[in-house]
Amino acid sequence: EVHLVESGGGLVQPGGSLRLSCAASGFTFSSYWMSWVRQAPGKGLEWVANIKQDGSEKYYVDSVKGRFTISRDNAKNSLYLQMNSLRVEDTAVYYCARGGSRNGYWMYWGQGTLVPVSS
Amino acid sequence: QSVLTQPPSASGTPGQRVTISCSGSSSNIGTNTVNWFQQLPGTAPKLLIYSNNQRPSGVPDRFSGSKSGTSASLAISGLQSEDEADFYCAAWDDSLNGWVFGGGTKLTVL
Repeated sequence: EVHLVESGGGLVQPGGSLRLSCAASGFTFSSYWMSWVRQAPGKGLEWVANIKQDGSEKYYVDSVKGRFTISRDNAKNSLYLQMNSLRVEDTAVYYCARGGSRNGYWMYWGQGTLVPVSS
Repeated sequence: QSVLTQPPSASGTPGQRVTISCSGSSSNIGTNTVNWFQQLPGTAPKLLIYSNNQRPSGVPDRFSGSKSGTSASLAISGLQSEDEADFYCAAWDDSLNGWVFGGGTKLTVL
């Protein structure tokens, strides 16, 4: 059974940093694109970033370019999102999802981790 | 302002058929496939339709998807109370080099 478990969320001040992790199990992690998708409180879904199987391709939504970095460790079956220079508008539940290549799809999602950015 | 346009709300009575639209452009829906997600309150999104009209295993055939030109639609037939949820469409955008979502449609079963 596929499991995606996010961790690392929590309250952070504007300008601060946070690193989210996603532990994957139940499938061959190294065979899939992986993505981060977020949802601000009471708002819709927003794709944040995705990464190719070997990490050679990474894409980001414009609003996080230069501040967020997606990475993965296939040996540890883990996906990461390093978030720097956080802004109030980055406040959201961050979901890890399997998939996300062009013309692909997200079949499996984690339960999400909440990142409130506030002073 | 979302790149893909969905109606903010839709409604129907049990047993009815409802349709939710998703309008895009040549750089997203016009070129790439569309996925649909259902999100119940307080839960993670669930993949409902992928590649325009494919249902993952376990999704009832009451749910169907279609695409024409730069628009896509999700149809739900035999509406049930448990279908009440938020629905989102998504597609890759070649101009933005990333995924774009619709703003979401809140479905109410009257």
